[in-house]
Amino acid sequence: DVKVTQSSRYLVKRTGEKVFLECVQDMDHENMFWYRQDPGLGLRLIYFSYDVKMKEKGDIPEGYSVSREKKERFSLILESASTNQTSMYLCASSPPTGGNQPQHFGDGTRLSIL
Amino acid sequence: AQSVAQPEDQVNVAEGNPLTVKCTYSVSGNPYLFWYVQYPNRGLQFLLKYITGDNLVKGSYGFEAEFNKSQTSFHLKKPSALVSDSALYFCAVRDPYSGNTPLVFGKGTRLSVIA
Repeated sequence: DVKVTQSSRYLVKRTGEKVFLECVQDMDHENMFWYRQDPGLGLRLIYFSYDVKMKEKGDIPEGYSVSREKKERFSLILESASTNQTSMYLCASSPPTGGNQPQHFGDGTRLSIL
Repeated sequence: AQSVAQPEDQVNVAEGNPLTVKCTYSVSGNPYLFWYVQYPNRGLQFLLKYITGDNLVKGSYGFEAEFNKSQTSFHLKKPSALVSDSALYFCAVRDPYSGNTPLVFGKGTRLSVIA
């Protein structure tokens, strides 16, 4: 089974801090994704990556950046955390097989910015 | 542009009754369609997908979904609901001609199965 592991289940940070959310997958997937989930808004794509050192903006990239130095690891960075970034963050991965494969998700990081 | 709509925020059903969670999509060609389930404080779990072939797709936990091209729908169904099916359900779509792009998700439908 595919395993996508997010380093923290719950995280509390302060406004203005630089925050790192880490995600690791063990299936050698090329594609990795970061979403945020908010009530009534569903899942919104922040950034995604098709390969090491590659990144693409999603629908809501403002205030975020990403890093993919190794194939198995995809990090989401909040440059200067703000209260409106309080949310559930979900990481996912998938193989590049023509798009007919599902994305596999981690259990999420519930981030609170005080 | 591809999109997916889940017209119901909440579905309530009695245990033992059949359940349906609705999903409609918009893509330029034949879609790839997916259903996921999310239990409290967990990530999304893949349930089933439609790629091509038989319009009725069977998945995990007794769920199935029917692809209807004329109605651009992909409703999730189960013949007999369990209390443990109570969760948040997401439909997702990908246009095969758009390459290896991320899935586009609906806003989710909360299913409550009442004992």
